[in-house]
Amino acid sequence: GAGVSQSPRYKVTKRGQDVALRCDPISGHVSLYWYRQALGQGPEFLTYFNYEAQQDKSGLPNDRFSAERPEGSISTLTIQRTEQRDSAMYRCASSLVANRDSGGNTIYFGEGSWLTVV
Amino acid sequence: AQSVTQLDSQVPVFEEAPVELRCNYSSSVSVYLFWYVQYPNQGLQLLLKYLSGSTLVKGINGFEAEFNKSQTSFHLRKPSVHISDTAEYFCAVSVKGAQKLVFGQGTRLTINP
Repeated sequence: GAGVSQSPRYKVTKRGQDVALRCDPISGHVSLYWYRQALGQGPEFLTYFNYEAQQDKSGLPNDRFSAERPEGSISTLTIQRTEQRDSAMYRCASSLVANRDSGGNTIYFGEGSWLTVV
Repeated sequence: AQSVTQLDSQVPVFEEAPVELRCNYSSSVSVYLFWYVQYPNQGLQLLLKYLSGSTLVKGINGFEAEFNKSQTSFHLRKPSVHISDTAEYFCAVSVKGAQKLVFGQGTRLTINP
């Protein structure tokens, strides 16, 4: 696609329910990232993939959060047994290459998925 | 670990006035620096980035930023703002080999006519 696509854009769920957020990166992009952004804060890193391999999940807050990218393209971020503190915008992003100097790559963000846990 | 501080949470300016959005970072290793912008109801968009070389970096929409290693700063400037520049601006840092950005808390720029 032309840009990073996320769905759903808005999700309201009851506390205790599981939620799955989907991300379709820019076609051909190797790296895919998940960030979380609370109101009034900057985005906070959760995890990222190169192809289908999860490279760093140090930002996942606890074991209720997991992510996968089984075929190296679309990714799903799953939150189990949601809590009110999980309410935030979840942003997906992608970048073209993964190499030694990847820190300088341009990362392209989607519009985000707003999650509200009631 | 790296950290980013955006010193102003909100900056109101009049249209056609100059603006500077401040960003300071902390890191024990060399960094790459970025400014992203979020317009209402849109995703984050890259304005500009500093990787190496000239410390003055020019970006889209007439913005520029200057990397100052001694001051550990990367302030964003525009000589004359327009109503359309109303948005939230985020400064971010990454390091070589680490594929993740550390963001500041953001600065909301409001342009008054």
